[in-house]
Amino acid sequence: DAKTTQPPSMDCAEGRAANLPCNHSTISGNEYVYWYRQIHSQGPQYIIHGLKNNETNEMASLIITEDRKSSTLILPHATLRDTAVYYCIVMIYNQGGKLIFGQGTELSVKP
Amino acid sequence: DVKVTQSSRYLVKRTGEKVFLECVQDMDHENMFWYRQDPGLGLRLIYFSYDVKMKEKGDIPEGYSVSREKKERFSLILESASTNQTSMYLCASNRPGQGLNQPQHFGDGTRLSIL
Repeated sequence: DAKTTQPPSMDCAEGRAANLPCNHSTISGNEYVYWYRQIHSQGPQYIIHGLKNNETNEMASLIITEDRKSSTLILPHATLRDTAVYYCIVMIYNQGGKLIFGQGTELSVKP
Repeated sequence: DVKVTQSSRYLVKRTGEKVFLECVQDMDHENMFWYRQDPGLGLRLIYFSYDVKMKEKGDIPEGYSVSREKKERFSLILESASTNQTSMYLCASNRPGQGLNQPQHFGDGTRLSIL
């Protein structure tokens, strides 16, 4: 199984960009990178996913390196409501898309 | 928006009881999942289902069973609750894509305490 590593915690000033890194050096060619977040006492929330090209949606941008061994989630203008644990996940296919959550990065957005 | 609804946010049961956790999704998704989430252990898959009446074991199925009689509903059953099943239980659903598994959408979880 491909695994991911993320820093345990990060701080970000409100209004600034939050850049959350993730390493997934053993990722396979057909595995996607997904990002979820979990705000305290809520279920995980899907943010974005990608294979090898950079992706952007209304929530965030995802930058995947050319060798696919790492990626960065970018929240362009972080708000206090973005304070959460962010999980970088590699999708595994053999069980209908089982998600393996690591420990994630606890992002604190400060005023 | 996709809505995954879990029947209870908080539940307290006693050791040995049979416990039912219910999950309903409103987006006609084929796949449904039950996870448990514990501090330091992350998210672990208990069971999943890819169609009505179909089920597959996840990583930690022992002590649990599931039922999927209708497409929108996926139930998790603790046959005889034990204290080590105290946890946050999360239900998720998605629609399988063609070579691409669609994002999973989660409910808000049931925090279950077994006394």
